Amino acid sequence: SFVLTQPPSLSVAPGQTARITCGGNGLGDKDVHWYQHKSGQAPLLVVYDDSDRPSGIPERFSGSNSGTTATLTISSVEADDEADYYCQVWDSGSDRRVVFGGGTKLTVL
Amino acid sequence: EVQLLESGGGLVGPGGSLKLSCVASGFTFDNQAMSWVRQAPGKGLEWVSISASGGRFYYAESVKGRFIISRDNSKNTMFLQMNSLRGEDTAVYYCAKTIRGVITYAMDVWGQGTTVTVSS
Repeated sequence: SFVLTQPPSLSVAPGQTARITCGGNGLGDKDVHWYQHKSGQAPLLVVYDDSDRPSGIPERFSGSNSGTTATLTISSVEADDEADYYCQVWDSGSDRRVVFGGGTKLTVL
Repeated sequence: EVQLLESGGGLVGPGGSLKLSCVASGFTFDNQAMSWVRQAPGKGLEWVSISASGGRFYYAESVKGRFIISRDNSKNTMFLQMNSLRGEDTAVYYCAKTIRGVITYAMDVWGQGTTVTVSS
């Protein structure tokens, strides 16, 4: 079964750049999506299809995907960016399913 | 405005059943893929089930054979029938509008969630 691996936590100072990674075998061959999830709120799609942004998502959020690693980059980090971030793919193998990474807690120092 | 409203959560004993509902508005529901995702206390997001394109349904291994996803397109509503509930099913359950790409699905709008607690 397909597994996505994320670092559990990341700390960044305001104004700096946060890079959250997501690893998986052959991940570059899949479309990766990223979600922001704040406690008590609904998750929010911030990047889809590796690098596209939904309407209303700031340009500070960007994504890339190559080889075995996808990366969500948040530039000029703000206090409001503090949240859990999850990567997600569709596994179209024999057991078709949605796969989430374990999530990364982003702390803004 | 696209909106999703879940309901039906509550407290149920182990082995019991519960049926969640998700009412959608602001988009054409009929041909839209929809998903259920849950988050157990202190844990990450876990996919539960998808009503995919072409009328196909898929389930996570952890719920296969116990949960059933369905929809009533005339009422813009998706359901999740949960049977043989276990303590590990305790979670906030979210429904999500799901967009389909060439080789993928992504969840672009989420509801606020409904809480399911399985305990005696």
